[in-house]
Amino acid sequence: GAGVSQSPRYKVAKRGQDVALRCDPISGHVSLFWYQQALGQGPEFLTYFQNEAQLDKSGLPSDRFFAERPEGSVSTLKIQRTQQEDSAVYLCASSPTGQSYGYTFGSGTRLTVV
Amino acid sequence: QKEVEQDPGPLSVPEGAIVSLNCTYSNSAFQYFMWYRQYSRKGPELLMYTYSSGNKEDGRFTAQVDKSSKYISLFIRDSQPSDSATYLCAMRGNQGGKLIFGQGTELSVKP
Repeated sequence: GAGVSQSPRYKVAKRGQDVALRCDPISGHVSLFWYQQALGQGPEFLTYFQNEAQLDKSGLPSDRFFAERPEGSVSTLKIQRTQQEDSAVYLCASSPTGQSYGYTFGSGTRLTVV
Repeated sequence: QKEVEQDPGPLSVPEGAIVSLNCTYSNSAFQYFMWYRQYSRKGPELLMYTYSSGNKEDGRFTAQVDKSSKYISLFIRDSQPSDSATYLCAMRGNQGGKLIFGQGTELSVKP
């Protein structure tokens, strides 16, 4: 497709459940980013991949959060034992290189933990 | 204190007004400055980008960066109802990688 695709668009999880969020970047884009956006806030950086290498995971809030991009294209963000404070929109972005000016964002996955 | 500060608004203006949106930052290593527009339930889309200090114009939009004051601005001329959205400033250093975003300013342009 022409843009960054994220699935599912909406996810409701019971507290304690594990969830997996998928990101399909623009074809050929080397860099991939995950951001977390709480209601009324700007996106907060979670992690960054260049191809399959995870170069920066400094933004992951806890060891319950795990991201992978095994073949350098599709990426999955996994959250284990979800908690209410994990409720947010999870945005994925990709860029041709890490030095690009701007990144193309997907529409996000809205996660609600009940 | 956050690295990037942005007034969340909301800001309401009449159609045709000039809008001024601003961000301040504390990290002198930031070199790349961007403005994103985000409609409700959508991802941010890139509007403007600037490297280091200076001005950049694109149609009705002008971005300004003053690195000496650590202050960036976005001006929207002849604002339209379709400009109603949340505007996010974002910035990063030379090494690439993560963007640091402001909180976003919610703008409403009334017909």
